[in-house]
Amino acid sequence: EVQLLESGGGLVQPGGSLRLSCAASGFTFGSYAMSWVRQAPGKGLEWVSAISGSGGSTYYADSVKGRFTISRDNSKNTLYLQMNSLRAEDTAVYYCATEVGSTVTAQFDYWGQGTLVTVSS
Amino acid sequence: QSALTQPASVSGSPGQSITISCTGTSSDVGSYNLVSWYQQHPGKAPKLMIYEGSKRPSGVSNRFSGSKSGNTASLTISGLQAEDEADYYCCSYAGSRVVFGGGTKLTVL
Repeated sequence: EVQLLESGGGLVQPGGSLRLSCAASGFTFGSYAMSWVRQAPGKGLEWVSAISGSGGSTYYADSVKGRFTISRDNSKNTLYLQMNSLRAEDTAVYYCATEVGSTVTAQFDYWGQGTLVTVSS
Repeated sequence: QSALTQPASVSGSPGQSITISCTGTSSDVGSYNLVSWYQQHPGKAPKLMIYEGSKRPSGVSNRFSGSKSGNTASLTISGLQAEDEADYYCCSYAGSRVVFGGGTKLTVL
């Protein structure tokens, strides 16, 4: 059974940093691209960042480019999102999601339950 | 990075069919056969309902179908059931980026 478990969310002040983790199990982690998708309270889904199965290709939404860094450790079956210079508008539930293949195609077949990030003073 | 355009809400009675549209541009929906659709119930994670425009994952009811014409993709739900009431999001690959629609709230009357 595929399982994705996000962690690392919490309350952080504007300008602060946070690192999210997504522990994966039940599938060959390194064979699949992964993404982070967020959802602000009461709002819709917003894609944040993606990484290929090998980790060699990364992609970012304009809203986070230069502030967030996606990475993965295939030996630990874990996906990361390093978030710096956080803003109030980054407040959201952050989901990790698997792609159906090793490249980024925006077809997300498994999702974690999400971790809440709140940016506030 | 503009979101794909979806109607804010649609409704239908049990047993009826409804269609949710998702309008993009020639840079996303129109350029790739990589549109996916997600169902999200309140407080839950999204669930993949349709991928690559018209394919259903294992376990998803055949009452759900997807199609595309030009820059617009569509999700059709036939034989509406009470449990179909949820938010629905379309999503498209856009060449090194991904774009979601704003979401559509489906109400089963």
